[in-house]
Amino acid sequence: QLQLQESGPGLVKPSETLSLTCSVSGGSISSSRYYWAWIRQPPGKGLEWIGNIYYSGNTYYSPSLRSRVAISVDTSKSHFSLQLRSVTAADTAVYYCARSIGVSSTPYKWFDYWGQGSLVTVSS
Amino acid sequence: DIQMTQSPSTLSASVGDRVTITCRASQSIGSWLAWYQQKPGKAPNLLIFKSSTLESGVPSRFSGSGSGTDFTLTISGLQPDDFATYYCQHCRDYPYTFGQGTKLEMK
Repeated sequence: QLQLQESGPGLVKPSETLSLTCSVSGGSISSSRYYWAWIRQPPGKGLEWIGNIYYSGNTYYSPSLRSRVAISVDTSKSHFSLQLRSVTAADTAVYYCARSIGVSSTPYKWFDYWGQGSLVTVSS
Repeated sequence: DIQMTQSPSTLSASVGDRVTITCRASQSIGSWLAWYQQKPGKAPNLLIFKSSTLESGVPSRFSGSGSGTDFTLTISGLQPDDFATYYCQHCRDYPYTFGQGTKLEMK
């Protein structure tokens, strides 16, 4: 059974960089069938897609976050990571990693496995 | 970006009821729509993809339909475990966007 687990600091100061890692177990992060995603959810609000990454390193980002976000993958460690720079209180959210599945070589994808989520609070 | 609008925002129902949640896209997305269920403090759970395909392990009382811009999620014979928040997501292109959610609460 595939499992995803987020890890990283729960508290980040304003203007600093939020960093999270998603460890993938029970399946291969290098499978050509899947992308890997970060999605966030501010407290009491809806879901926001942040970006997708392929095992080769190809990335797709939300235009609203593109200037501040970087997603990377380390296949040797079976994990992928999120960095969000210059954070503000508006970046306070539960951050989920997920597996993105769908039609190969197209953007037609949805999310079938999710991590449990990691609450990151931006506060001084 | 494609905007997704769900209605209603809140829905009150009883065990055994048949309920329908609607999701509208700001432009045609074909059948590229997914539905998720989320319970408090938990990650979303995929219910349906490609508008009407039931994810493995999801009870058959859940069904989805629609194409183009208008989609529905129907739960036939509500069970106590179904009271949760439901989200639609378009899968048509980057960036992916979600509806604002529909909270299904017990009447």
